[in-house]
Amino acid sequence: DAKTTQPPSMDCAEGRAANLPCNHSTISGNEYVYWYRQIHSQGPQYIIHGLKNNETNEMASLIITEDRKSSTLILPHATLRDTAVYYCIVRVGHYGGATNKLIFGTGTLLAVQP
Amino acid sequence: DTGVSQNPRHKITKRGQNVTFRCDPISEHNRLYWYRQTLGQGPEFLTYFQNEAQLEKSRLLSDRFSAERPKGSFSTLEIQRTEQGDSAMYLCASSLLGGQVNTGELFFGEGSRLTVL
Repeated sequence: DAKTTQPPSMDCAEGRAANLPCNHSTISGNEYVYWYRQIHSQGPQYIIHGLKNNETNEMASLIITEDRKSSTLILPHATLRDTAVYYCIVRVGHYGGATNKLIFGTGTLLAVQP
Repeated sequence: DTGVSQNPRHKITKRGQNVTFRCDPISEHNRLYWYRQTLGQGPEFLTYFQNEAQLEKSRLLSDRFSAERPKGSFSTLEIQRTEQGDSAMYLCASSLLGGQVNTGELFFGEGSRLTVL
């Protein structure tokens, strides 16, 4: 699986959009971009994933560049409860022959300020 | 659906003792994963099961570690002769392979924190 690079920390004001970048320049054509977050003392939680099109769900939006070498996770209106470590993970698609394990880096600690 | 359940949530033990952690996955999830997480680091993959078969083990899983999933439901992770370096959070996750709505999402429990004195 391709390696990802994320800034170690970011701040965001409550109510503003949080934009978390991720570089994955060695991504392969069959690899998806997954985002998870981990709130203190809890297990990681799935947020969103995508292959090449932008994706949106009730939690966030995922913008993937046309060359797929980077992506941005957007939390449109950050709240204090969004303070967490956010992990960007690149992984092959979910199919029977694959382990489907996630390889975590150190992520980005997002601190939402009141 | 009560989510992934892990027990105990906290365990303090003396070096050299054996400890066992239990994970109850989401019912009908056929895949189960164990991870270890130390302070300031992301979770590290240890092993995973598909049903009762253990299909992959990380090099991190030394001979002192053993995991089982005897009936393809709950799983146990045992650490024998614990060392101070084993102090960490042990996370369990489950997922469903197959089905119409299948994102490959892993559902994590809240973890079992081990402290070895």
